[in-house]
Amino acid sequence: AQKITQTQPGMFVQEKEAVTLDCTYDTSDQSYGLFWYKQPSSGEMIFLIYQGSYDEQNATEGRYSLNFQKARKSANLVISASQLGDSAMYFCAGGSNYKLTFGKGTLLTVNP
Amino acid sequence: GAGVSQSPRYKVAKRGQDVALRCDPISGHVSLFWYQQALGQGPEFLTYFQNEAQLDKSGLPSDRFFAERPEGSVSTLKIQRTQQEDSAVYLCASSLVADGEQYFGPGTRLTVT
Repeated sequence: AQKITQTQPGMFVQEKEAVTLDCTYDTSDQSYGLFWYKQPSSGEMIFLIYQGSYDEQNATEGRYSLNFQKARKSANLVISASQLGDSAMYFCAGGSNYKLTFGKGTLLTVNP
Repeated sequence: GAGVSQSPRYKVAKRGQDVALRCDPISGHVSLFWYQQALGQGPEFLTYFQNEAQLDKSGLPSDRFFAERPEGSVSTLKIQRTQQEDSAVYLCASSLVADGEQYFGPGTRLTVT
């Protein structure tokens, strides 16, 4: 089973700046995946980015990148050029096979 | 294409009532998941289906919770004799393969009074 820790309950960033949201994980599995989801106030969970444990390159999807440091068991999300629409809860999740464990989330507020 | 849909979006039940929550996954998605999200928390796994087979129900909090997916597409989560602690958002997700990215529906907010 995975344990996912997000230590930042809330983060603020100025529009157009970059922000890093922290995520650490703990697992004894050799093969696993790490995911980031965005949950706006409307409630829907939106998939952002995925990193496999055997992927050597950090995953990138547009303005999102995942800073994967396997030895440190961290999978931080970096959002570049923040936009007002990025204000939302962000959840880190991890799992092996099908079962995902989610962290408690970080509330990101983008200031104009 | 259409995403995951859930109905109803909101449900208010009196304590002791039975409720049924519906999930329509993305067409062709083999895997289907139910999660419970309490206020201010991340989603917690309830159960997993591959096609019509319920392969894991380890997250169901009690035997009052029951899920089915009889034809391998639409799924229903049923809660019998609802209790106040059942109040939460119930999220359904589907994925093309078991360990792939999961696509979530908008959730059903259940309030038990």
